Amino acid sequence: NAGVTQTPKFRVLKTGQSMTLLCAQDMNHEYMYWYRQDPGMGLRLIHYSVGEGTTAKGEVPDGYNVSRLKKQNFLLGLESAAPSQTSVYFCASSSELATDTQYFGPGTRLTVL
Amino acid sequence: SQKIEQNSEALNIQEGKTATLTCNYTNYSPAYLQWYRQDPGRGPVFLLLIRENEKEKRKERLKVTFDTTLKQSLFHITASQPADSATYLCALDMWYSSASKIIFGSGTRLSIRP
Repeated sequence: NAGVTQTPKFRVLKTGQSMTLLCAQDMNHEYMYWYRQDPGMGLRLIHYSVGEGTTAKGEVPDGYNVSRLKKQNFLLGLESAAPSQTSVYFCASSSELATDTQYFGPGTRLTVL
Repeated sequence: SQKIEQNSEALNIQEGKTATLTCNYTNYSPAYLQWYRQDPGRGPVFLLLIRENEKEKRKERLKVTFDTTLKQSLFHITASQPADSATYLCALDMWYSSASKIIFGSGTRLSIRP
């Protein structure tokens, strides 16, 4: 059981470039989330999904898009990266309830120059 | 809007003492409140969940209390050890919003010195 995995672990982008972060979970969880974590600001929810084929906006969705084509995968896309998107990105999943225990991936450290 | 305050950015205590971390929230009392541990360079790991109708929850050396009158949760680590050094996050659910999600505090960095 790998739990929640994220790829890549590190990435450096130039302003305007695009990229996709991949999150995978093998726990058959319905709910999946993307957070960003910045110093002093805690974890902020970007987008989330309550099931395959569904997505919804979180607290800070601007500049990001997501897709959940398969239940086990949740993709986060940056179409045109900006320095303000430099952050550590965490994916998480939970089972039946959104307020249930969340299982987090190891994170992706993204730097936008 | 709901806000969470973990009122100590950092806490340093002597090994063997009890560490007490505070989580305060404004506005709506959550149905659930959770505590997570985060080590440097890693994702948060769930520790304990306490429901609004529970006053106290224990797990080994960990204890969480929940006071909806004070709008506060306390997280205690008894007989603290250097291995307990980490950042601890509280999180609460936003049941009153149309979205099903939880929000996190910014965390308290706990250091246990030998």
